[in-house]
Amino acid sequence: EVQLLDSGGGLVQPGGSLRLSCAASGFTFDKYAMSWVRQAPGKGLEWVSGISGRAVTTYYTESVKGRFTISRDNSKNTLYLQMNGLIAEDTAVYYCAKVGSDRYYFDHWGQGTLVTVS
Amino acid sequence: EIVLTQSPGTLSLSPGERVTLSCRASQSVSSSDLAWYQQKPGQAPRFLIYGASTRATGIPDRFSGGGSGTDFTLTISRLEPEDFAVYYCQQYDSMPFTFGPGTKVQIK
Repeated sequence: EVQLLDSGGGLVQPGGSLRLSCAASGFTFDKYAMSWVRQAPGKGLEWVSGISGRAVTTYYTESVKGRFTISRDNSKNTLYLQMNGLIAEDTAVYYCAKVGSDRYYFDHWGQGTLVTVS
Repeated sequence: EIVLTQSPGTLSLSPGERVTLSCRASQSVSSSDLAWYQQKPGQAPRFLIYGASTRATGIPDRFSGGGSGTDFTLTISRLEPEDFAVYYCQQYDSMPFTFGPGTKVQIK
């Protein structure tokens, strides 16, 4: 059974930093791309970032480029999101998501971790 | 960026009814690279459909997806009590991958 366990959220001041983690199990981690998707309070879903299985390629939505860094440690089956220069608009629940076999749909999701910038 | 529009914003229906949700893209989504998700309050999204019409593993056959190009639909043939939720479409044809604003299906 695929399991994704998000952690690392919390309250941070504007301009601060936070690192999110996602511990994965139940599948061959390095064979799948992974992503972060966020959801602001009461709002819809927004794709934030993605990384290929071997971490060769990374992708970001425009609003986080230069501030967020996605990475993964395949030896630990863990996905990360380093968030720097946080602003109020980054306040959201952040979900890690496993990417489908060959295309960027999200077939499994973590439970989410709340980031509050205030 | 491909903008997705979902309509209606909210639907009030009774269990047993049939419902069709709409998702329209601002430009053609090639290869039908469109997915659907269900989200209940306080929960993570649940993956339902990919490739516009292929059900994910374990998804009941009362859920069906259709469409191509710029117009897509999600149909629930008979609403069960557990189906009342928000439904999002997502395109993965081009970056940034985008979601629609969601359609809330609530109990009448």
